[in-house]
Amino acid sequence: NAGVTQTPKFQVLKTGQSMTLQCAQDMNHNSMYWYRQDPGMGLRLIYYSASEGTTDKGEVPNGYNVSRLNKREFSLRLESAAPSQTSVYFCASSRGRSIAKNIQYFGAGTRLSVL
Amino acid sequence: KNEVEQSPQNLTAQEGEFITINCSYSVGISALHWLQQHPGGGIVSLFMLSSGKKKHGRLIATINIQEKHSSLHITASHPRDSAVYICAVRLNYGGSQGNLIFGKGTKLSVKP
Repeated sequence: NAGVTQTPKFQVLKTGQSMTLQCAQDMNHNSMYWYRQDPGMGLRLIYYSASEGTTDKGEVPNGYNVSRLNKREFSLRLESAAPSQTSVYFCASSRGRSIAKNIQYFGAGTRLSVL
Repeated sequence: KNEVEQSPQNLTAQEGEFITINCSYSVGISALHWLQQHPGGGIVSLFMLSSGKKKHGRLIATINIQEKHSSLHITASHPRDSAVYICAVRLNYGGSQGNLIFGKGTKLSVKP
């Protein structure tokens, strides 16, 4: 019973490199989310997908792109990494499409450092 | 201006103590979530509520909509309760459907 699986767990990039963070859920959830967590700040929503085939910007989308590949998978891409993107990234999913009415299930996080 | 304020920022308790963590918000909301982040980083949703009170085991969450305030209580605290507790609200106005606003968290340490 895996829940939400994120890969990789750790990554170090050089400025300007690109990479994709992968997220998959096995709970048949409709909605998926990408957050970043920085010291001294609350979690902030980067992008979300309310259902397969749709994506929307959250609070801090600049510098990121997402793909909802199918119902299970939601990836986050950094096209040209910057030191300001050093953070811990969390993927989450929820059964329904309303973030207000549904419990979210989180992945274990990806710790990304951009040098 | 922080729309979600948690207090205290840090809390140390002795095993067995009754613990209260507070969350205040400044605007109308449609729902409030409490989450727990373990020392290893994993995040677990504890409660989602829009009115009244919910209980799960030793955890109790209450919300007072008029006073724009929620509390998370832990009875008979245990060292395994040591974690960061995060409050998050879904605002009533504007924003995207997916926009939850998170507090900065309360770091709880329970000593044996």
